[in-house]
Amino acid sequence: DTAVSQTPKYLVTQMGNDKSIKCEQNLGHDTMYWYKQDSKKFLKIMFSYNNKELIINETVPNRFSPKSPDKAHLNLHINSLELGDSAVYFCASSQDGRGYEQYFGPGTRLTVT
Amino acid sequence: AQSVTQLDSQVPVFEEAPVELRCNYSSSVSVYLFWYVQYPNQGLQLLLKYLSGSTLVKGINGFEAEFNKSQTSFHLRKPSVHISDTAEYFCAVSFPGAGNQFYFGTGTSLTVIP
Repeated sequence: DTAVSQTPKYLVTQMGNDKSIKCEQNLGHDTMYWYKQDSKKFLKIMFSYNNKELIINETVPNRFSPKSPDKAHLNLHINSLELGDSAVYFCASSQDGRGYEQYFGPGTRLTVT
Repeated sequence: AQSVTQLDSQVPVFEEAPVELRCNYSSSVSVYLFWYVQYPNQGLQLLLKYLSGSTLVKGINGFEAEFNKSQTSFHLRKPSVHISDTAEYFCAVSFPGAGNQFYFGTGTSLTVIP
């Protein structure tokens, strides 16, 4: 059983389009995250949700909107895609907000042409 | 301000040789420390963690790390590397009871040479 899963694994789209990435965790965790990994492998946190409530919202364009329908799911919707959005997006989860280890999904490679 | 520094961006090492990947952090408060490994085209996998207790932490795949509070370091070591250890390694820090944000280092690319 996959602990943290993401769909799709690859996403190729054109500038200006709107796309969504889905994330699900079956670990019973309360907190979920979205990270962006650029071409130099640098990891940047984008959002964090604790039990469906937004906790961290880093400096991210408002074209990016997370949605958490329940604590096992955290989806990422991106409007008006730009070339600079091309990256690998990782979902992660942790047991609670006390700083314990995070478990990562396999990533979604987004390519904007 | 908190930060994590991985001093080496690339580390080439011959198979069966020992390796040390360096990580330093800056913080005035207590920290939790982690090492993650990322194999090509995969997500991050937890190698080991330090939350409290013994400063020598053993992880998966024969890796270990030592927490040194005075030097604010958490270096990762393996006595004998395999080809399969070729990957990107990330050091990360978080803060007990202070929220759930991780601070990641910029990564070290380990290449094991046959």
